[in-house]
This record gives sequence, C-alpha cells and structure tokens, in this order.
Amino acid sequence: QKEVEQNSGPLSVPEGAIASLNCTYSDRGSQSFFWYRQYSGKSPELIMFIYSNGDKEDGRFTAQLNKASQYVSLLIRDSQPSDSATYLCAVASGAGSYQLTFGKGTKLSVIP
Amino acid sequence: SAVISQKPSRDICQRGTSLTIQCQVDSQVTMMFWYRQQPGQSLTLIATANQGSEATYESGFVIDKFPISRPNLTFSTLTVSNMSPEDSSIYLCSVKTDWEGGTQYFGPGTRLLVL
Repeated sequence: QKEVEQNSGPLSVPEGAIASLNCTYSDRGSQSFFWYRQYSGKSPELIMFIYSNGDKEDGRFTAQLNKASQYVSLLIRDSQPSDSATYLCAVASGAGSYQLTFGKGTKLSVIP
Repeated sequence: SAVISQKPSRDICQRGTSLTIQCQVDSQVTMMFWYRQQPGQSLTLIATANQGSEATYESGFVIDKFPISRPNLTFSTLTVSNMSPEDSSIYLCSVKTDWEGGTQYFGPGTRLLVL
C-alpha cells in the first residue's frame, strides 16, 4: 500500500522565520511530488511540484526532493501569518503517474 | 491553471436520499477525479472519471454508491446514493491538466451534511 507520511503538527514558527515541512513516501516508483496549501474551509491550492532530485525554488518557497531517501520537503522563507494553513504533500505514482496519494497534512501556524 | 466550479457548494440532506454534485471546467481535460475529505482528514480518491469510458473506482468505493458520469471533456457528476451520516464530508473534483506536467487542480468542494 502506498503511503505518504507527514508530521501532523501543529508547527509554529515566528513571523519572518523559515518553516520546514517534511514528507516521506513508501513507493519507490513515485514520479512526481506536489505540495498543496489548504486554508480552513477551502480546497487545496497547488504551491509547487517537483520531479527531479534537488531543489526547486519559486519565490519564498523551495521544494527539495531526494528519491534515494524517499523524502520531499517544502521550505517557506520569510514566513508570514498568511502562510498559516495545512500543507498537504501528494505523490503521483501508478500507471501514467496520475493518481495522487496524499499525506494527512502538516498544520503550520506563523506567529506574528 | 484550470478554473473549476462545483454545484452545490453545500447541502444538508436526509439519510436515504441521493445528491448529485456537478463539476465544470473551463477547458477540455482528459482526466477528472473525485475525492472525499472527511472532517479533519486528508483527501481520499474515490474514482477517476474518463470521458468515453467507465469510471475507475478505488478500493472501498463502488459504482452503486457513487455513480459517476463524464459526458464530455469539461463536465462530470458524482452522485452520493442512499446517504447515511457517515457520508458527511467534503467532496472535491479535480482535473489533471494535459499541460504543466499533469498537475491536478481542485474545485472549491461540496460540503455535505447528512442528518
């Protein structure tokens, strides 16, 4: 069974700090990795995706992938109170690599 | 990205009844998905809806309970049949774009409460 593990949190960081969110996955055949942000009462919103080992940066967000360790992370620099949300890690695997398996999410709280 | 709408946004239903949820996309997409998110939980895939073929259901979900239609490349419906309080959940449709590396985008969701 494919599993995606995340610390449920809550993870509390002060405003302006770096928030580090981690995710591990069980299926070595996984191809694509996604981070979604979900505000309370809202649907998931895509932040970033990453396919290749290494880092991928987009503004204040950096996704890091290590396929050998089956580990993917999301760094949020200069954290803002508006970043307070649940962050969902999703992994695509299976035929055509289109089926997403979601972790349970990490709740992030940025303290002003 | 794709713009996705869902109807209804929320509903309160009596047990034993059925509700059909609609999902509309602003562009043609090959693959649409239906997810359930129970209170405080993450997303669970119910089924994949492909235009022109039967939906593919995940383990634990059956067509009699969650019939799905996909009449064209921009529209799909999910019916929650013979509802019980355990069906109270958020139901989300998503689409896999044929560009942007196959990223999935989510609709706003339908919040269902079964009494």
